Amino acid sequence: QVQLQESGSSLVTPSRTLSVSCTVSGDSINNGGFYWTWIRQRPGEGLEWLAYIYNSEKAYYNPSLGRRAAMTVDSSKNQFTLNLNSVTAADTAVYFCVRGMGSGRPGSARWFDPWGQGIRVTVSS
Amino acid sequence: DIQMTQSPSSLSASVGDRITITCQASQDIGNFLNWYQQKPGKAPKIVISDTSTLHGGVPSRFSGRGSGTDFTLTISSLQPEDIATYYCQQSHNRPLTFGAGTNVEI
Repeated sequence: QVQLQESGSSLVTPSRTLSVSCTVSGDSINNGGFYWTWIRQRPGEGLEWLAYIYNSEKAYYNPSLGRRAAMTVDSSKNQFTLNLNSVTAADTAVYFCVRGMGSGRPGSARWFDPWGQGIRVTVSS
Repeated sequence: DIQMTQSPSSLSASVGDRITITCQASQDIGNFLNWYQQKPGKAPKIVISDTSTLHGGVPSRFSGRGSGTDFTLTISSLQPEDIATYYCQQSHNRPLTFGAGTNVEI
């Protein structure tokens, strides 16, 4: 059974870089066909897809993030990470790491399952 | 971006009621439509994928229909454990987008 667990700083200073990591257990992150994904939920709001990386190689980002986001994979730790720079209060949210299923339309995860429990990140001075 | 419009934004029903949530896409998404259930303080959980495929462990009282731009999620007999917010999500085009959610109460 695949499980995902987020980690990272819960408090980030405005204009700095937010970094959240996800450790995957029960499966190798190098197994092909999955989109390793970040989705966030601002307080009291809905869900926003941020980014994913496919087959640990090709990363896709939500254009709403501009050029602020970068995803990396550490295969030795079976972990993937999202770095989001120049953060503002609008980046305050719960960040979920999720596995996206492949074999849908090219470049699009077919659905998201399972989800990590989420990590609450606050951007504040 | 494809906009996903859910209605109603909230609903209150009784145990045993049949309820339907609708989701409308701003353009044709074929059957690339998923539904998630989120309980307070928890992560979302997939309920239905590809418009109508029920995921493992999801009770058969849940069903999904639709195609193109108009989709529905129906719970045939509402149970107390179904109290949650439900989100639709399109997987047709990036950026993948979600509806604003429907809060189901008893």
